[in-house]
Amino acid sequence: QSALTQPASVSGSPGQSITISCTGSSSDVGSYNLVSWYQQHPGKAPQLIIYEVTKRPSGVSYRFSGSKSGDTASLTISGLQTEDEADYYCCSYTGSRSPLVVFGGGTKLTVL
Amino acid sequence: QVTLKESGPVLVKPTETLTLTCTVSGFSLRTARMGVSWIRQPPGTALEWLAHIFSTDEKSYSTSLRSRLTVSKDTSRGQVVLSMTDMDHVDTATYYCARMDTATLTVDFWGQGTLVTVSS
Repeated sequence: QSALTQPASVSGSPGQSITISCTGSSSDVGSYNLVSWYQQHPGKAPQLIIYEVTKRPSGVSYRFSGSKSGDTASLTISGLQTEDEADYYCCSYTGSRSPLVVFGGGTKLTVL
Repeated sequence: QVTLKESGPVLVKPTETLTLTCTVSGFSLRTARMGVSWIRQPPGTALEWLAHIFSTDEKSYSTSLRSRLTVSKDTSRGQVVLSMTDMDHVDTATYYCARMDTATLTVDFWGQGTLVTVSS
């Protein structure tokens, strides 16, 4: 099972919007609405920000939104804030019980 | 309040077996839909999913590491154990245990992680 493909880095200015893509295949991202996104600040454990492609857990800012088209899922962050600077990882069900899920390679977001 | 905490050696020698324990609280390992995954992150690189144990005791493993991994649980003690054989320097990483809702394949709670270094 290959890792999902994410851009290594994206950047934006405060107040702008950015989108991070996560490309899989017709076997995983393309077949199931079971994509989640995680935010990780340096030295910290990841935190869930989006699940089932578009859903936001309680307490996560409305500025974070998710979508999917074909084999590619996307995370959009609107109204960028300096505290959004972090690494972002997507994760998808593989379509199999084993292995169960696969992560993306991660994207470093820089807020300029 | 759901918490998970990893424990185990911080340093292992090449070829040794790593054994990590995840102690959970705030939920039961018997709870349907709730399982525990192990995920690792080498320094400066990406997350890698390793293994998962379901509430039913079914196990799931990474394809590339399947031959080296074993996951088990002691439900009464609220503990999940990961063993990884034949450790190598490339296995140096922070190892996380995390709760996964297996209906949505969502990791909703993470442990703080434990850094394991492989060195002679």
